[in-house]
Amino acid sequence: GAGVSQTPSNKVTEKGKYVELRCDPISGHTALYWYRQSLGQGPEFLIYFQGTGAADDSGLPNDRFFAVRPEGSVSTLKIQRTERGDSAVYLCASSLRSLAGGEQFFGPGTRLTVL
Amino acid sequence: QKEVEQDPGPLSVPEGAIVSLNCTYSNSAFQYFMWYRQYSRKGPELLMYTYSSGNKEDGRFTAQVDKSSKYISLFIRDSQPSDSATYLCAMSAGLTGGGNKLTFGTGTQLKVEL
Repeated sequence: GAGVSQTPSNKVTEKGKYVELRCDPISGHTALYWYRQSLGQGPEFLIYFQGTGAADDSGLPNDRFFAVRPEGSVSTLKIQRTERGDSAVYLCASSLRSLAGGEQFFGPGTRLTVL
Repeated sequence: QKEVEQDPGPLSVPEGAIVSLNCTYSNSAFQYFMWYRQYSRKGPELLMYTYSSGNKEDGRFTAQVDKSSKYISLFIRDSQPSDSATYLCAMSAGLTGGGNKLTFGTGTQLKVEL
C-alpha cells in the first residue's frame, strides 16, 4: 500500500475485554514499531520488531500487552483484560530497515476507548 | 523529569509570521532528531530529519540542532493557516538505543490565524 494502515480506526470496548489492533506496514519495510499516545501527550514507545522477532519490548506497560508479527509484515497488538487507563491512540510506524536513524512513517492510529 | 521537554502551547501567530518551536533534552546519547506534524485525529507526519548538530532547510522549514546545549529548534517562515497543527519533536539514540525507538516531546499546538 501507499502508507501504513491500521484497523480498526476506532475501537470501543468494555473494561475486562480482549482487543486486537492491526497494523499493515509500508511494503518492504522490515522494521515495525508500536507507540501509544494519550491525550495531550506525545507518542510513547511500546515495542519494536525487526522482521518477525520482537527486538525490543521494553515499552510494554505490563503482561496484559502482547504483540506479534508472524510473517514479518502485518503486526497485531493484543491487549487482555482491558482497563480504562488503556484508553489512548495506538500508533504503528514502519521503517525501511533498522539502520541507525532510519526514518519512521506513521499510520493514522487506532483510537481505543475502554468504558 | 522527562527526557524530552517541549512547551505544549498553544501558540497563536498571524499568517506570514515566523514561528519558532523548540525542545530540550537530557539524554546525551540522542543523535537523530526529527520534527513531526500531527493534524487532529491523524498520525504524525515526518517534516524534518537531522543527524547530530547543524542546520537543515527544506522549503519554509529550517531545523537546528545544538547538541552542546541539548536544544533543537524548528523554524517556519511565512506561516500559513494550513500549518495549524501540533508539532512534535522526536529523537533517538540510533542502534545503541534499541533499534531507533523514538522519544517524543509532548507536542506544541500551533494556530496560524488569518
